[in-house]
Amino acid sequence: SYELTQPLSVSVALGQTARITCGGNNIGSKNVHWYQQKPGQAPVLVIYRDSNRPSGIPERFSGSNSGNTATLTISRAQAGDEADYYCQVWDSSIVVFGGGTKLTVL
Amino acid sequence: QLQLQESGPGLVKPSETLSLTCTVSGGSISSSNYYWGWIRQPPGKGLAWIGNIYYTGTTYYNPSLMSRVTISVDTSKNQFSLKFSSMTAADTALYFCARLNGPTQKREFDYWGQGTLVTVSS
Repeated sequence: SYELTQPLSVSVALGQTARITCGGNNIGSKNVHWYQQKPGQAPVLVIYRDSNRPSGIPERFSGSNSGNTATLTISRAQAGDEADYYCQVWDSSIVVFGGGTKLTVL
Repeated sequence: QLQLQESGPGLVKPSETLSLTCTVSGGSISSSNYYWGWIRQPPGKGLAWIGNIYYTGTTYYNPSLMSRVTISVDTSKNQFSLKFSSMTAADTALYFCARLNGPTQKREFDYWGQGTLVTVSS
């Protein structure tokens, strides 16, 4: 079965750039979606199909995908960006989630 | 604005079958553009996909769960449902319903319910 690997945690200084990776075999050939989940809340889609932002998501959020790694980039990190982030792909009609990354804004 | 709302028991006994319903408002579950899905999250852990359904009744399940899971749709009520048999403590989780949008096998979950906590305990 297809697996997605995310770092357990990423830290970023306030106002700096955070990068959260999602690794998978030839993930560049798939469409990657990213979700933000704050404590006690449902996940929110922040990037879909590698690099598209839904309406209402700040331009500070961007995504890229190539080779064996997809990356969610959060520019000018704010305290409100502190959350868990999950990547997601499809593999042969199966939905696969990464294990999630906890982003801490210092 | 599309809204999804999960409903069902918060407490289930071991070996029993869980039944949850997701009610969709602000849009039609019969739209040809979308699938509808269930995802769960054990306390303190990550998201785990359970399965998806199309308004025609076509389903896709997580292979590791499919022997215990049934997802169905009721277009007349704009609802879809989850049945999960032989529940154990390991099935204690927050259960979410969500809408899937996008091209086939590239869909993203763009709208989510708030989630409902299900605890398995005698």
